[in-house]
Amino acid sequence: QVVLVQSGAEVKMPGASLRMSCMTSGYSFTDYFLHWLRKAPGHGLEWLGLINPRSGTTTYAQKLEGRVTLTRDASSATVYLHVSSLKSGDTAVYYCAREGRDGDYKYWGQGTLVTVSA
Amino acid sequence: EIVMTQSPESLAVSLGETATINCKPSQSVFYNAKNKNYLAWYQQRPGQPPKLLVYWASTRESGVPDRFTGSGSGTDFTLTISSLQAEDVALYYCQQYYSTPYTFGQGTNLEIK
Repeated sequence: QVVLVQSGAEVKMPGASLRMSCMTSGYSFTDYFLHWLRKAPGHGLEWLGLINPRSGTTTYAQKLEGRVTLTRDASSATVYLHVSSLKSGDTAVYYCAREGRDGDYKYWGQGTLVTVSA
Repeated sequence: EIVMTQSPESLAVSLGETATINCKPSQSVFYNAKNKNYLAWYQQRPGQPPKLLVYWASTRESGVPDRFTGSGSGTDFTLTISSLQAEDVALYYCQQYYSTPYTFGQGTNLEIK
């Protein structure tokens, strides 16, 4: 079955950088786009960006463009989210999600809690 | 960016009754080339990732009880939960995937009255 497993919780200082991973299994890695989203306390779900695992092509939310980078490693069927210049407003649970069909999210990782605090 | 206006913010419904959640995108999410509305509904319980309930506005995901029904087109959508059960207590979101950035409604917190 399709499984997405994310890396563990992180605590970071403001200004630091962060890389988290999402390891996939149970399907052909290059057949579906993978997305990253987050849910901050008191806020709704926010889309961060997507990556085409076949080509490595990415699209980012304009709000975070320049601070977010998505990469992939096809050999391990893993995608990575890198966020730089962290702020307290980046405190959130981060999710990776795989498309079901056209952009709906049928499969989700378990979530990674990121806390940015001095 | 398509803004998703979801209402109500919270809703209390008696067991066995019907809950109705509305979602209005700021522009149409109907994709003419595929004759489909690019709108989904999710349920999120505390400590869990969201769960896909409905995609293409009205297609129920496999394994989702038929008490959950999505309807609507263009800029006006509804999620109806009939015969409410205790396990339906959760946060519900609509999402458009017509164009990036994909956007979500602010969520509806469903409780038992």
